[in-house]
Amino acid sequence: AQKITQTQPGMFVQEKEAVTLDCTYDTSDPSYGLFWYKQPSSGEMIFLIYQGSYDQQNATEGRYSLNFQKARKSANLVISASQLGDSAMYFCAMREGPYNNNDMRFGAGTRLTVKP
Amino acid sequence: DADVTQTPRNRITKTGKRIMLECSQTKGHDRMYWYRQDPGLGLQLIYYSFDVKDINKGEISDGYSVSRQAQAKFSLSLESAIPNQTALYFCATSRGGGSTDTQYFGPGTRLTVL
Repeated sequence: AQKITQTQPGMFVQEKEAVTLDCTYDTSDPSYGLFWYKQPSSGEMIFLIYQGSYDQQNATEGRYSLNFQKARKSANLVISASQLGDSAMYFCAMREGPYNNNDMRFGAGTRLTVKP
Repeated sequence: DADVTQTPRNRITKTGKRIMLECSQTKGHDRMYWYRQDPGLGLQLIYYSFDVKDINKGEISDGYSVSRQAQAKFSLSLESAIPNQTALYFCATSRGGGSTDTQYFGPGTRLTVL
C-alpha cells in the first residue's frame, strides 16, 4: 500500500506568491515523523523541514512551513514568498515508529515551477 | 567541504559489468543508507546500515550488495549490472535516535547501464 501520496505531479506559482504542496500519508503507528526534501535540477536532496506526530505546533523553517492536519493525515508544505530558486522537485517522506528502525518512505514528488 | 560525498558522480557501464559506488561521510553519523531514484519517481531504499556490523536489506535489494568498511564509508555494488539498474543513486546518513532522525543526502551518482 502506498504510504505517501503526493497528488500534484506539477505546480506553477508566480514569484513572490505563496504555494502549497500536498502530501497525505498512511500509517497506523501513533509515532511517526514527516519530512520534506527539495531536489533542484542539479540532483542533490536537500532537507527542508520536519514534523513529528506528537508535535503540537506546525513546524516552520524560514519561508517553509508545514500544515500538519493529523486527523486528515496530511502534511502539506507551504512556501511563502516564492523565489525563482524554489523551482525544483519536492518530496514528502515519512518514517514510522519511535526508534528509527524503520524505512523512510518517499512520495513520488511534485515539480514546482516559479514564474517570474 | 561536503559532509556526504559520493564517487563517482557519473558512470556509464555495460551490461554484465561489476560496478561499485562509494560513499563517505564526515558527519560522524552511525547510520548510512543507499537509495535509488528512477526518473519521475521518489526514492526507494536499497540497503541500510545502523553501524559497522549491522547491514539490512531495504525494499529493492535484489541485484545489489553493500559493504560497510568503516563508520564513515558505505559502498554499494552491482555484481552484474543490467539496464534496468540505470538510475540516480543516493547515499544518506543519519544520527539515529527516534522518528525525529533526519537523513542527509550525498550529491548522487548517475549510473547508466547500456
